[in-house]
Amino acid sequence: AAGVIQSPRHLIKEKRETATLKCYPISRHDTVYWYQQGPGQDPQFLISFYEKMQSDKGSIPDRFSAQQFSDYHSELNMSSLELGDSALYFCASSPAFQEGEQYFGPGTRLTVT
Amino acid sequence: AQKITQTQPGMFVQEKEAVTLDCTYDTSDQSYGLFWYKQPSSGEMIFLIYQGSYDEQNATEGRYSLNFQKARKSANLVISASQLGDSAMYFCAMREGPLGSGNTGKLIFGQGTTLQVKP
Repeated sequence: AAGVIQSPRHLIKEKRETATLKCYPISRHDTVYWYQQGPGQDPQFLISFYEKMQSDKGSIPDRFSAQQFSDYHSELNMSSLELGDSALYFCASSPAFQEGEQYFGPGTRLTVT
Repeated sequence: AQKITQTQPGMFVQEKEAVTLDCTYDTSDQSYGLFWYKQPSSGEMIFLIYQGSYDEQNATEGRYSLNFQKARKSANLVISASQLGDSAMYFCAMREGPLGSGNTGKLIFGQGTTLQVKP
């Protein structure tokens, strides 16, 4: 079965630009999570969606927004990019209320110059 | 306070030997879940094994097993018969609380342990 798909895999942007990261969850997974992993850091939870509604919010900057669409894919929009936003951004998906299942995509490596 | 603690920044193991990666956690919830992920140098996050707080048996998945000691709040990962391809960063993560009732299942990660397998 296909895993979580993220695009693009690599992205280079300049300061103050915007970026959009996309995530396509595993089929029949209706919950999507976004995590940010800075260099040498552990992943930090940003935001999650269940059935197209935001379900939880973590340490996500106000410059970032996200949504989940009717086909369950999700997009993370990042504006006014800063050097500190350079990180690996993971999307993960799970079926709602299924313990023990949270699968990560390959990540999008964002570099802000 | 750190919710998930991995005290071993780096570990070495000889090929074909077993290795234990430590993980301790802190939660006041009775229901929670513990995950282990592998992150090779290529960056992807690979799910290895899961243990629910109410699971009486230690979880096993192939060469991976989880040594779950609830009273000690530890969930150590045991990798048997190490292979060169096991060289990677390993993260322990926790989902606090039962799913539902506003709990969405977000994970809290430890700092990770870098494992190097020697030939």
